[in-house]
Amino acid sequence: GENVEQHPSTLSVQEGDSAVIKCTYSDSASNYFPWYKQELGKRPQLIIDIRSNVGEKKDQRIAVTLNKTAKHFSLHITETQPEDSAVYFCAASPTYGQNFVFGPGTRLSVLP
Amino acid sequence: DTGVSQDPRHKITKRGQNVTFRCDPISEHNRLYWYRQTLGQGPEFLTYFQNEAQLEKSRLLSDRFSAERPKGSFSTLEIQRTEQGDSAMYLCASSLEGGRGYGYTFGSGTRLTVV
Repeated sequence: GENVEQHPSTLSVQEGDSAVIKCTYSDSASNYFPWYKQELGKRPQLIIDIRSNVGEKKDQRIAVTLNKTAKHFSLHITETQPEDSAVYFCAASPTYGQNFVFGPGTRLSVLP
Repeated sequence: DTGVSQDPRHKITKRGQNVTFRCDPISEHNRLYWYRQTLGQGPEFLTYFQNEAQLEKSRLLSDRFSAERPKGSFSTLEIQRTEQGDSAMYLCASSLEGGRGYGYTFGSGTRLTVV
């Protein structure tokens, strides 16, 4: 089955700097990779996703890159702000609509 | 609120008791998922419905767990003879098959504490 690893487990950056979170997956059949942001005590919320036929996707300050050959994908946040502080989870899914396998999460702290 | 609703938000129960949680998905979503999340971990898949059919169950879903979605709308998750290891956040999510976005919409979860 699928296994998703995520690094680092914690990340502290200064406000305005960039943050990068990396994930690897094991199942080459996985073809959809969402990223979720979870603030303390709240629900995970989808922030960006990428499908396997795309190498990069960007949405304002957030971008995701995917390397299918190496089976890894990364989340990039530029110009970080204090409200970006949260736990970020990557996930992989072999087929649309079925279960996701989540990574263990990265706690991002943006320091003022 | 047109999001995914879960009830109750919190449940404290004594070991050995049965508990039942409810999830109301986004109305037009035909897919519904249950996940469990423990502190400091990512959500772990439990089970998934398409309409009223339960199509996939994780090995995490022991015989003490049962989920239903009788009319293809709301779903219930029951845990019988609760154990302390069942303490977790139980998250429900929904999605629309063939929808523009593949990602789930999660509910706020039910936090279960078994004492």
